[in-house]
Formats: sequence, structure tokens, C-alpha cells
Amino acid sequence: TQLLEQSPQFLSIQEGENLTVYCNSSSVFSSLQWYRQEPGEGPVLLVTVVTGGEVKKLKRLTFQFGDARKDSSLHITAAQPGDTGLYLCAGAGRHGNEKLTFGTGTRLTIIP
Amino acid sequence: ETGVTQSPTHLIKTRGQQVTLRCSSQSGHNTVSWYQQALGQGPQFIFQYYREEENGRGNFPPRFSGLQFPNYSSELNVNALELDDSALYLCASSPIRTGELFFGEGSRLTVL
Repeated sequence: TQLLEQSPQFLSIQEGENLTVYCNSSSVFSSLQWYRQEPGEGPVLLVTVVTGGEVKKLKRLTFQFGDARKDSSLHITAAQPGDTGLYLCAGAGRHGNEKLTFGTGTRLTIIP
Repeated sequence: ETGVTQSPTHLIKTRGQQVTLRCSSQSGHNTVSWYQQALGQGPQFIFQYYREEENGRGNFPPRFSGLQFPNYSSELNVNALELDDSALYLCASSPIRTGELFFGEGSRLTVL
């Protein structure tokens, strides 16, 4: 069974601070996705990383895929209240999105 | 372009009853996946439908069943409801089997 552990589970920081969320597994994934989910809504895809060691930037968000494609990190610079939400990583097996394995989630709260 | 829509948004059932949840996929998407998200956890893959056939299934018992219709909309049926079935049920569609997933807002099921 493929498992994805995210840390921290909860994170509450002041506006303007930086933070990093981690997503770790003992399994290798063909790709890894990061989603953000807000209350009462479904997850929304932020980014997909495919190549080991790949780094992608989305404005103030930086995503990295581990060299062995078992782990990933999400770094947010100068966090803003609009970044508040549940961040989920999800790994795809060798068949792509046939079955996404989601992480346990990190609930982020940015305090104005 | 219409996004993924799910119905009902909320419902309450009692143990032992049966429930049907519905999902209309985004225009042009032929693949639908269903996920169960328990409170405070990441989504868990239930199954995926592609061209009206089940195309992958997660670790859920047979009382969880589904259908996909010629217009690519889908249903999730759960028989003999148990208390642990209380969760947010998410439907996601994608343009091809391994494409990006677009999630609906979910159907929140409470089993009493």
C-alpha cells in the first residue's frame, strides 16, 4: 500500500512569514501533484511535478520533487491570508492518474 | 465551460440505508473518479470509470458501486450504509485517463 505522510499536520503562522510543507513516502511515484482545498470545496490542482529533482515555481509557491521521486516539498514565501487552506499532495502510480494516492494533508492558517 | 457538479450537496441517512450520489463531469471529459474524504483526512480513491467501464478500484467493499452513462455523467451507490461511511464524497473528471483531475465540491454524507 502506498502511503504519503505530510508534515506538519497543522501550521499557523503570521502573514509575511515563510513556511515549508513536506510530503514523504517510501514508495516511488511517476508524478506528484499538490492541491489546495478550501472549506466546502473540492481540491484544486496547483502543480504537477514529474522528474526527480524537478523544481516548479508558481508565484510565491515553490514545489520540489525529490531525486528518488519519493518525496516532495512546498515552500511558500511571504505567506498571505489568501494562502489559508488544506494543502494535499497526491502521488500517481505508473499508470498515471488511474489512482491518485493522497497525503494526510496540512491545514495552513495565515494570521493577518 | 461547465465544471464538475455533484448532487446532492448534503444528505443524512441512517445505518443500513442505501444512497446514490450523482456527478456531471466537465464538458469534454470522458473519465470520472470517485474519492471518499473523511473528516480531517486526505481523499481515498474509490474507483474510476472510463467509457462506461470501471477502470481501477481502491480498497472499498463491493457495497460501493458505480455507473458511468453515455454522456459521461456518473453515479456512486453505497448499500447497507455504516456509520464510518460518513464523509465527503468527491467526484473528479479528466479529459483523458491520465489527465489532470477537476474536482466537484463534493457530497457530504452523514450516516446516523
